[in-house]
Amino acid sequence: QVQLVQSGAEVKKPGASVKVSCKASGYTFTSYGISWVRQAPGQGLEWMGWINTYNGDTEYAQKFQGRVTMTTDTSTSTAYMELRSLRSDDTAVYFCVRSGLGGWFDPWGQGTLVTVSS
Amino acid sequence: EIVMTQSPATLSVSPGEGATLSCRASQSVSSNLAWYQQKPGQAPRLLIYGASTRATGIPARFSGSGSGTEFTLTISSLQSEDFAVYYCQQYNTWPPSTFGPGTKVDIK
Repeated sequence: QVQLVQSGAEVKKPGASVKVSCKASGYTFTSYGISWVRQAPGQGLEWMGWINTYNGDTEYAQKFQGRVTMTTDTSTSTAYMELRSLRSDDTAVYFCVRSGLGGWFDPWGQGTLVTVSS
Repeated sequence: EIVMTQSPATLSVSPGEGATLSCRASQSVSSNLAWYQQKPGQAPRLLIYGASTRATGIPARFSGSGSGTEFTLTISSLQSEDFAVYYCQQYNTWPPSTFGPGTKVDIK
């Protein structure tokens, strides 16, 4: 079955960077893009960006421009999201999700909790 | 950026009753609207896409309708497993894809 499995929880200090991985299985990785969505504690869903897994093109939400980088390793069907200059308000669960260009999101990874604390 | 709003913020329903959730877009998104269900500690799950098409494995008690700026998710007879938060998402004008703030359906 189609599945996205993410890396484990992280604790980072303010100013540090975090890189979350998302390994896909059950489908041809390069046939669909990957979006990243985050959810702060008790809050809603916030789209961060999208990567075309076929050619590496990216679209980032303006809020994260300059601070986020999304990449893929097609040899292992894995997507990565790196967020730099972490602040306490970056504490959230980060989800990867399969998505076409301008399409709906399905399925979702299980989420990775990133805690930013001094 | 298209802003999505949802109402009500919280809906209290008794098991077996129906529920109607609303989603509004700040400008037309055609039928490019999806609904997701999220339970505590879990990832969201796709329920509806294209405003009215149920995703694979989604029970028939879930139905979606609407187009343009006004959308509705209807749950015909709530089961215990349906108490959750529901989000709408537009993917018509992208980037960014935007979500509504969610409607929490809890037990009355």
